[in-house]
Amino acid sequence: AQSVTQLDSQVPVFEEAPVELRCNYSSSVSVYLFWYVQYPNQGLQLLLKYLSGSTLVKGINGFEAEFNKSQTSFHLRKPSVHISDTAEYFCAVSQDRGFKTIFGAGTRLFVKA
Amino acid sequence: DTEVTQTPKHLVMGMTNKKSLKCEQHMGHRAMYWYKQKAKKPPELMFVYSYEKLSINESVPSRFSPECPNSSLLNLHLHALQPEDSALYLCASSVRDPGSPLHFGNGTRLTVT
Repeated sequence: AQSVTQLDSQVPVFEEAPVELRCNYSSSVSVYLFWYVQYPNQGLQLLLKYLSGSTLVKGINGFEAEFNKSQTSFHLRKPSVHISDTAEYFCAVSQDRGFKTIFGAGTRLFVKA
Repeated sequence: DTEVTQTPKHLVMGMTNKKSLKCEQHMGHRAMYWYKQKAKKPPELMFVYSYEKLSINESVPSRFSPECPNSSLLNLHLHALQPEDSALYLCASSVRDPGSPLHFGNGTRLTVT
């Protein structure tokens, strides 16, 4: 069975500071990994995905994530955040078969001026 | 702008009412999904349609009845709901390839009174 753990429920950070949102997963088979962002009163939007190949994945809005197989982690990073990055961020995993995407509990990123 | 359109944006219904949520996409995706999201929680999978056939039903109560009339449309028929069914209902679509990300609509905010 798969599972996803987001280690921080809330991350407050000042504008222009770097941020890291942590995600660990568990699975007995190869997985595909995703980060989604949800702004207030909206659906989820894909930030980036890891399918295979290079372990450093670049996404939209200046975000990037690094896949670490030995630590079963897929942490999201941004070197300098903006007020507009305030949102809920979900780490997610899916497998080779089936249509199930499992979401982590979410991390609320709050960017302060 | 989202490429998955959901209507209505907001819906208030009594426990004896019958209503329907609608979802439309024109990306040629052949997998479509219904998710339920409670406040401050991740999305929970309800149903998956693949090639217009019900592929996954996550033990959802029968008061929720999905329908996929064609490859672009997905409906969720609601009848005799309970107040605890109040939530954001998200529709999503994807291609059927492994590792394909989900494309979400902005959801319908449902309140059951």
